[in-house]
Amino acid sequence: GIQVEQSPPDLILQEGANSTLRCNFSDSVNNLQWFHQNPWGQLINLFYIPSGTKQNGRLSATTVATERYSLLYISSSQTTDSGVYFCAPRDGFYGGSQGNLIFGKGTKLSVKP
Amino acid sequence: GAVVSQHPSRVICKSGTSVKIECRSLDFQATTMFWYRQFPKKSLMLMATSNEGSKATYEQGVEKDKFLINHASLTLSTLTVTSAHPEDSSFYICSAAQLNSYEQYFGPGTRLTVT
Repeated sequence: GIQVEQSPPDLILQEGANSTLRCNFSDSVNNLQWFHQNPWGQLINLFYIPSGTKQNGRLSATTVATERYSLLYISSSQTTDSGVYFCAPRDGFYGGSQGNLIFGKGTKLSVKP
Repeated sequence: GAVVSQHPSRVICKSGTSVKIECRSLDFQATTMFWYRQFPKKSLMLMATSNEGSKATYEQGVEKDKFLINHASLTLSTLTVTSAHPEDSSFYICSAAQLNSYEQYFGPGTRLTVT
């Protein structure tokens, strides 16, 4: 199956700093999602981004499927950005329905005031 | 839009008892629902996929007789942990996807503690 590698595993930022989180995957994927898991465990959809670049406020994401990686940019970080960021490519079709998301181990972000 | 709820958010049960967790899509019809398990400080592990009206498809290593999944309607799926043991203690998260959509939306999770 697909292997997903996220880096860095841990990141500590001062409020206001920018950061880039990276997600490498080992095989072709037909889609990819980025999530933020807040300290209470809720996964929040950030981006659904099979390819190209999308922006949403201070966050943006770029996926280059042919080179098997995706990047998540966080600008002007805030303390509320703290949590774990997961990248989850989809491994293709399973039994004729949607394929499965394969989660990386995540990047734990701590933003200090 | 695309809100998924789970109930209960926390449950403590005694070893040997069964626990049912509900997952509901509140504002859309979920043709497919997924159940994940997450250990502390670890990633999410897919347990099973269920399509409305069909039997669930379990991932390798997941006991289907222990983790009973029912997806009886387009807005509700349930996971029943039967004869729970302390090693079943974990954070269980469901997600839901609409027909012809690849995007999954996640519930807030249920923390199960088996004593």
